[in-house]
Amino acid sequence: GESVGLHLPTLSVQEGDNSIINCAYSNSASDYFIWYKQESGKGPQFIIDIRSNMDKRQGQRVTVLLNKTVKHLSLQIAATQPGDSAVYFCAENRGSGGSNYKLTFGKGTLLTVNP
Amino acid sequence: GAVVSQHPSWVICKSGTSVKIECRSLDFQATTMFWYRQFPKQSLMLMATSNEGSKATYEQGVEKDKFLINHASLTLSTLTVTSAHPEDSSFYICSARADGGRGVPYNEQFFGPGTRLTVL
Repeated sequence: GESVGLHLPTLSVQEGDNSIINCAYSNSASDYFIWYKQESGKGPQFIIDIRSNMDKRQGQRVTVLLNKTVKHLSLQIAATQPGDSAVYFCAENRGSGGSNYKLTFGKGTLLTVNP
Repeated sequence: GAVVSQHPSWVICKSGTSVKIECRSLDFQATTMFWYRQFPKQSLMLMATSNEGSKATYEQGVEKDKFLINHASLTLSTLTVTSAHPEDSSFYICSARADGGRGVPYNEQFFGPGTRLTVL
């Protein structure tokens, strides 16, 4: 069935290092992907998104890479800071057009940044 | 930016009672809102899609008679957990899909802060 999964459930990095969080998806029809950050006891916070017609998109300290050939998505965080400690989820969506705006979330990766 | 609120932020109730959770889009209109449930250390699971002016669409395995959804206006959706039991204890999160206008990106989803439900 349709699923979005993650390779690594936990990731521990040193402050200042770069972090890479990975996500695999199985629905080849998905054309829009989003990364969310969720801190304990809070709702998901949008980080960055990418459409399937792109391979890479950069934001402030974050980069998302999309490899449609192997259905893989990654989030890179540069110069990771203690405030980046949270659970990170990837989510897929079939995008605009049609009536399906539903998001399917991956399992999540807990990122811990050590000072 | 677009803000979604939820009320209450946490609630404790006795088994067998009903609990209502509100989800509001504060500065934008949302014809479509979504309700998610999240158990500890797990991902968000979509429960249902709430549509203003029509019946909600439930995901497979979600009991519509137990989780009543009412999307009364373009800025408010409510989720009522009826006859709650301890296994319904969870973190309930809503999101609102922006209809657009006033600088809010069309179709983008904004999440609420969540409601922690504990059923004793």
